[in-house]
Amino acid sequence: GAGVSQSPRYKVAKRGQDVALRCDPISGHVSLFWYQQALGQGPEFLTYFQNEAQLDKSGLPSDRFFAERPEGSVSTLKIQRTQQEDSAVYLCASSLALWGDEQYFGPGTRLTVT
Amino acid sequence: GNSVTQMEGPVTLSEEAFLTINCTYTATGYPSLFWYVQYPGEGLQLLLKATKADDKGSNKGFEATYRKETTSFHLEKGSVQVSDSAVYFCALSTTGNQFYFGTGTSLTVIP
Repeated sequence: GAGVSQSPRYKVAKRGQDVALRCDPISGHVSLFWYQQALGQGPEFLTYFQNEAQLDKSGLPSDRFFAERPEGSVSTLKIQRTQQEDSAVYLCASSLALWGDEQYFGPGTRLTVT
Repeated sequence: GNSVTQMEGPVTLSEEAFLTINCTYTATGYPSLFWYVQYPGEGLQLLLKATKADDKGSNKGFEATYRKETTSFHLEKGSVQVSDSAVYFCALSTTGNQFYFGTGTSLTVIP
C-alpha cells in the first residue's frame, strides 16, 4: 500500500514568508509525528498527534511553528515568518498504534530559507 | 534528560566484514530502544527494537542487545553486504510519543 507522503518535497522561502508543509500518513494510522532534521543531525521531535488531538507540542521551537490534523488524517506544519535557522528537512511519520513503536517515515520536505 | 550518543562516521567496510555501530543513551525512566535505517533516497525505516533490559532485537542479520548496566544498544552484523550501505540512527523513547535520535552513522560497504 501507499506509504507516508509529504509535499512539497522541496521548498525555498524568502526570510519572513509563511510556509505550509503537508503530510499524508498511511491510511488508518492513529499516531502522527513531525520532526526537524538539520544537516548532519538526527531527527528532532517537534510534535505528536493521536488522531486529531495534538497531545505533545513540546518540541516546537517557537510560536512561529504551528501544526494541525483537523480530521485525524492529513496534517499540516505551518511556519510563520520563516528565519534562516528554520532551514532543515521536515519529516513526518505515522504509526498504527497509539504509541510510536513502529513509525513509518515520509521522504521529508527540504526547506531552504534565503 | 534523554539523549542518544552514536558512534561518529562515516564507516567504510569491505563486504563480509563485521560491523559494530556503538550507541549509548541517557534516559529518565525505562526507555525503549530502536535502530532506524535510511537507505539512499528513501525515508527512515525501523530496523529493530528492544523494549526492556537484556532484550535482543534482530532483523535482516542485524542484532542489538539492550544493556541497562552499560546504557548501550550497539548494532552488530556478522557479514555486511553492499546493500547495507545506508545511514543508521539509534533512538530511544520513554513515553512512546517523544523520540530522541542520535546523529546517525553513515556506512559504506565496498565490494
